[in-house]
Amino acid sequence: AQTVTQSQPEMSVQEAETVTLSCTYDTSESNYYLFWYKQPPSRQMILVIRQEAYKQQNATENRFSVNFQKAAKSFSLKISDSQLGDTAMYFCAFMSSNFGNEKLTFGTGTRLTIIP
Amino acid sequence: NAGVTQTPKFQVLKTGQSMTLQCAQDMNHNSMYWYRQDPGMGLRLIYYSASEGTTDKGEVPNGYNVSRLNKREFSLRLESAAPSQTSVYFCASSVTGESYEQYFGPGTRLTVT
Repeated sequence: AQTVTQSQPEMSVQEAETVTLSCTYDTSESNYYLFWYKQPPSRQMILVIRQEAYKQQNATENRFSVNFQKAAKSFSLKISDSQLGDTAMYFCAFMSSNFGNEKLTFGTGTRLTIIP
Repeated sequence: NAGVTQTPKFQVLKTGQSMTLQCAQDMNHNSMYWYRQDPGMGLRLIYYSASEGTTDKGEVPNGYNVSRLNKREFSLRLESAAPSQTSVYFCASSVTGESYEQYFGPGTRLTVT
């Protein structure tokens, strides 16, 4: 079974600064997908970024980028020029690439607070 | 498109009562999921359905039943609620084999006293 570990329960950063959230995972599979989801106080789960394990290039979405280290099984999220609207819980998640087995395994989350 | 909708948004039950959480999606997705979110534990999969007419257990299925009524709807039933089932419940859907993105509903906060 896969496991996902987020070792930072809480983080805070000044507005406009850069912050990195850590995530490690354990799997015996060679191909899979990794995700970062954001959950603001509204409770809605919002996909931030996705990475396919077979791609060496790190995914980026505007101010959000990942550092994917497959050998180390590490998948960190970097938020540049942080904004007040980035305040939320952030969850790292793993999904097998096996067809019909698209279940997400989540980490325990990191609560990020952006300080004005 | 409304995306994924869940009803109700909030519910309080007494121990032993039963209820059904409803979920519907209008994105023509094959796969649907039920997760629960507890403080400090992230989201955990209860049941999922890879297609109409099929359901499978996830990580924490005990105390729950599900029904995939049709392609759009996937309900979660608590037959005899227990305080340990106090949680926030999320429904999600996705297209099997494509993009692998799951779209989540707004959640149901359930309290069992």
